[in-house]
Amino acid sequence: AQKITQTQPGMFVQEKEAVTLDCTYDTSDPSYGLFWYKQPSSGEMIFLIYQGSYDQQNATEGRYSLNFQKARKSANLVISASQLGDSAMYFCAMREGWYSGAGSYQLTFGKGTKLSVIP
Amino acid sequence: EPEVTQTPSHQVTQMGQEVILRCVPISNHLYFYWYRQILGQKVEFLVSFYNNEISEKSEIFDDQFSVERPDGSNFTLKIRSTKLEDSAMYFCASLLLDRDGANVLTFGAGSRLTVL
Repeated sequence: AQKITQTQPGMFVQEKEAVTLDCTYDTSDPSYGLFWYKQPSSGEMIFLIYQGSYDQQNATEGRYSLNFQKARKSANLVISASQLGDSAMYFCAMREGWYSGAGSYQLTFGKGTKLSVIP
Repeated sequence: EPEVTQTPSHQVTQMGQEVILRCVPISNHLYFYWYRQILGQKVEFLVSFYNNEISEKSEIFDDQFSVERPDGSNFTLKIRSTKLEDSAMYFCASLLLDRDGANVLTFGAGSRLTVL
């Protein structure tokens, strides 16, 4: 079974509109972290936002917010007021287990969603 | 903003040749990683490195791969005899572990390897 599922291979959004990128995850570990990374066409991986499994509130970072629904095991990324520079691949990733050693700090990535912002 | 730097940005090599990809992690980070992304696919964990030894490795990281930190700053990934299927973007990442924090991996810009 996939640990991270991103069901939207591609999304289009009008500039200045909000967009939600879906991510569902699968883990039996009560301690985990969820991350979103942005990968522009240049290829680098840029960290956007983090949500810990014990965090009581949804994470926010500027125009990015994470809609964390623990019971549904979903961690959707919401981008408000989309900009042309938001056009990129977006990856959801998960770290399972509380820290028990550096080697256990693996991220499992989803297949990504390609977001295109239309002027 | 501290960053992870990777060289080369793009390397083209013939099948069977040895390749070394280099990474300079963030200076006060202690944990180092290599990930791989085959074109159009998801990012996959290869190996983690701490205290001058491999902490964990994936099934992808077979005997053709090796890592080392020869001089305390560079962190290298060596592929001994490249195969066509090694063509991918290779990402280095580093981490300063903070038990109370989010512990976000900082990735480099990647090294694109093309094996012909």
